[in-house]
Amino acid sequence: NAGVTQTPKFQVLKTGQSMTLQCAQDMNHNSMYWYRQDPGMGLRLIYYSASEGTTDKGEVPNGYNVSRLNKREFSLRLESAAPSQTSVYFCASSEFPSVAYEQFFGPGTRLTVL
Amino acid sequence: QKEVEQNSGPLSVPEGAIASLNCTYSDRGSQSFFWYRQYSGKSPELIMFIYSNGDKEDGRFTAQLNKASQYVSLLIRDSQPSDSATYLCATIKAAGNKLTFGGGTRVLVKP
Repeated sequence: NAGVTQTPKFQVLKTGQSMTLQCAQDMNHNSMYWYRQDPGMGLRLIYYSASEGTTDKGEVPNGYNVSRLNKREFSLRLESAAPSQTSVYFCASSEFPSVAYEQFFGPGTRLTVL
Repeated sequence: QKEVEQNSGPLSVPEGAIASLNCTYSDRGSQSFFWYRQYSGKSPELIMFIYSNGDKEDGRFTAQLNKASQYVSLLIRDSQPSDSATYLCATIKAAGNKLTFGGGTRVLVKP
């Protein structure tokens, strides 16, 4: 099992360009999440999908859109990239409901916006 | 005030010593608490979770929860250089399905 996979691993964009970050999980998890991580800020939730067919805003949703394509895949789109979106993006999944609520993370995408 | 607060560190400990990490949270509705370890350039991985007051031990790691004082701590006994990483504290509310993370504490274990 690959767990949680993300593409691409690295990306450089110019201000105003758009792109989609892809995430897939093979653990049959119901819930999926997108986070961004900036130095000293921990992980901040952008959007999440508690189950297939639903999506909700997290702490920092502005400038992003998401699509839960099916149970396996959850994509994050930047319509018009800004330098403030330079960050490391992590996708995660979990089996909800679950006592442990353990989230499994993908390897991350390092995005630089010039 | 952030919902989950951690000292950013770095917390420097000699090899073989005990590393003590603290985390405070502001929402009394928080139900379960998690410690994730993140090596530089890698993704977070779960070390432990705790939801009852008191101590929970797993190998060299002990999580301590005090809901009345709204803090959770992580002790790493017999610290090893391989424990050098950032440790993230996270909470989840009752009936919730999303984690809230603190900023993380960087730990350096010196041989």
